[in-house]
Amino acid sequence: DADVTQTPRNRITKTGKRIMLECSQTKGHDRMYWYRQDPGLGLRLIYYSFDVKDINKGEISDGYSVSRQAQAKFSLSLESAIPNQTALYFCATSDLYSPVNTEAFFGQGTRLTVV
Amino acid sequence: GEDVEQSLFLSVREGDSSVINCTYTDSSSTYLYWYKQEPGAGLQLLTYIFSNMDMKQDQRLTVLLNKKDKHLSLRIADTQTGDSAIYFCAESIRGNNRLAFGKGNQVVVIP
Repeated sequence: DADVTQTPRNRITKTGKRIMLECSQTKGHDRMYWYRQDPGLGLRLIYYSFDVKDINKGEISDGYSVSRQAQAKFSLSLESAIPNQTALYFCATSDLYSPVNTEAFFGQGTRLTVV
Repeated sequence: GEDVEQSLFLSVREGDSSVINCTYTDSSSTYLYWYKQEPGAGLQLLTYIFSNMDMKQDQRLTVLLNKKDKHLSLRIADTQTGDSAIYFCAESIRGNNRLAFGKGNQVVVIP
């Protein structure tokens, strides 16, 4: 089983719909992240959470919200999806006590298309 | 601010060496990383270098760090078809305790 699991892996949704992307991890890490990847733009951080009670905006949080339901679960919601949110979304985790400091472990990604 | 720059595309013949470059801005970064993304997959940590090192060698991979110029490079020796991927450099951002990624460099290995 993967250490970081994202569901769904692929999703097509209509403009204006609400959609939730889920992430669960078995690494026992406190820190979890949501990134989106666009061609030529690399990875951009949407939200991150350092523990269940700590949620922080990243560089592109507008139009997104998150929920940290438990240490192992971090979900990303698009309240009203729009076409420019079409992207590949990645969840990641990291360990505060990692010997290489914030090394991140990534899920397989969710390809979201908003039509 | 944090800004990590990479060139976008590199093609290389199988067996040759390939070099990917990256520049970063946060001089207080503790670690710098190279991640590999194979088609249809998430990012996987390939190697890393501690900021007080100049060079790190790990089998076919050599990482060079020039702190003065804030320049990081990854050399892949004897490039193989399995090395075709997108490579991201990343720096750890102190204070924010997170990573800033470059835009990625796609490497295509030609048989």
